Amino acid sequence: DTAVSQTPKYLVTQMGNDKSIKCEQNLGHDTMYWYKQDSKKFLKIMFSYNNKELIINETVPNRFSPKSPDKAHLNLHINSLELGDSAVYFCASSQVGQGEKLFFGSGTQLSVL
Amino acid sequence: GNSVTQMEGPVTLSEEAFLTINCTYTATGYPSLFWYVQYPGEGLQLLLKATKADDKGSNKGFEATYRKETTSFHLEKGSVQVSDSAVYFCALRDSNYQLIWGAGTKLIIKP
Repeated sequence: DTAVSQTPKYLVTQMGNDKSIKCEQNLGHDTMYWYKQDSKKFLKIMFSYNNKELIINETVPNRFSPKSPDKAHLNLHINSLELGDSAVYFCASSQVGQGEKLFFGSGTQLSVL
Repeated sequence: GNSVTQMEGPVTLSEEAFLTINCTYTATGYPSLFWYVQYPGEGLQLLLKATKADDKGSNKGFEATYRKETTSFHLEKGSVQVSDSAVYFCALRDSNYQLIWGAGTKLIIKP
C-alpha cells in the first residue's frame, strides 16, 4: 500500500474553475502538509495540520482552503483558479517531533489553461 | 532568519564521475541538516541527515558531513550512475521542527 497517496495525479482545468486535490496517509502520522513546487522545482510550504488543527498557514491566497476531516486526510480545495496556480502540489506527512522526516505523495500536476 | 543555499543546477556529469553538490546554511544555533532526493515523477524522499557538528550522514553511496565552521553540508558521491539523475534538496530543521528548504539542484548523469 502507498504510504501517502494523493489524487488526481494530473489535473487540467480552465481559469476560474474550482478544484480539489485529495490526500490520504496510512502511516499513522499526526502531521500533514501541502507543498507547492513551481516549474523551477522551488518548494514552498503552504499549510501544515497537526491532528486536524491548522498550525502553519503561509502567505497563500485565501482561494486555497485546506480541509482535514481526520488526521489521515488533508484535502486542498482551490477556488477561482488562476494561471499562476499551475504547479505540482505535494502532500506530505510526518510524526510529531520528527518533522524533518517527511513522507511525500507523488504529486498532483495542476495545469490551468 | 534561517536559510539554505544550494548550488544552481543543472549539474551534468558522466557516469562514474565524482559528485559534489554544495549546500550552505544560515541559522541560529546548530540545526539538524538533511538531503532529500526527488526522482522524476515522484515525491521527495529523505536521503540522509546529520544532527550535530562533524556528523556524517550516508546512504546509497552518498555522503554529507556537517561542517559547523563553514556552515556547510555538501553532498558527495564517489561514482555516480545514470539512476542518480534527480533533483536534490538540502534542508535544515528549525526550532519549531519545520524544514527550511534549499532551491534544489538538478543532477543529470549521462551514460
